[in-house]
Amino acid sequence: EVQLVESGGGLIQPGGSLRLSCAASGFIVSNNYMSWVRQAPGKGLEWVSVIYSGGTTYYADSVKGRFTISRDNSKNTLYLQMNSLRAEDTAVYFCAREGTNERYGMDVWGQGTTVTVSS
Amino acid sequence: DIQMTQSPSSLAASVGDRVTITCRASQSISSYLNWYQQKPGKAPKLLIYAASSLQSGVPSRFSGSGSGTDFTLTISSLQPEDFATYYCQQSYNTRTFGQGTKVEIK
Repeated sequence: EVQLVESGGGLIQPGGSLRLSCAASGFIVSNNYMSWVRQAPGKGLEWVSVIYSGGTTYYADSVKGRFTISRDNSKNTLYLQMNSLRAEDTAVYFCAREGTNERYGMDVWGQGTTVTVSS
Repeated sequence: DIQMTQSPSSLAASVGDRVTITCRASQSISSYLNWYQQKPGKAPKLLIYAASSLQSGVPSRFSGSGSGTDFTLTISSLQPEDFATYYCQQSYNTRTFGQGTKVEIK
């Protein structure tokens, strides 16, 4: 079964760091484009970051310089390292598979992991 | 950055109604446009990719059209399970989501 399972969320103080994980099964992460998307409480979806199969990465302006997307091919897992966290980073974070190019959309999603940034 | 603007932000409709949601990009994005459905507390679900291609397993009452800057999602006959929030998303230059359209029961 094709599946994504996120973990690593929690309550963190402003300025702190957190690493989210997204474990994949049923497909190979490194063969696909993979994104992180977040949703603040009661708000819409916000794209955060993407890593292409070739390793190229892109970030939303709101997280550039603070967040880093990466993957571990041996573990078939996607990561999001989040540093210098702010209250406005509070959200449910989803990982999603995009297939082998930009045309296919995000067809597989995890269940989401909640990050709360608060003192 | 490419901005995506959906309209309306919300609408009320009845079962059986034809529903149309529009999405406008701030610059041309060719056909790099996807549509998602999200229900409360759940992850989004891909409905349409590449502007008009129906994702596998999605009912044929959903359809998408458009290219360039103007796009449309149509639900031909609204069903009870279709009450949800719908998002467009461009993948022409990084990614951007629209602000969402909530479809409610009239």
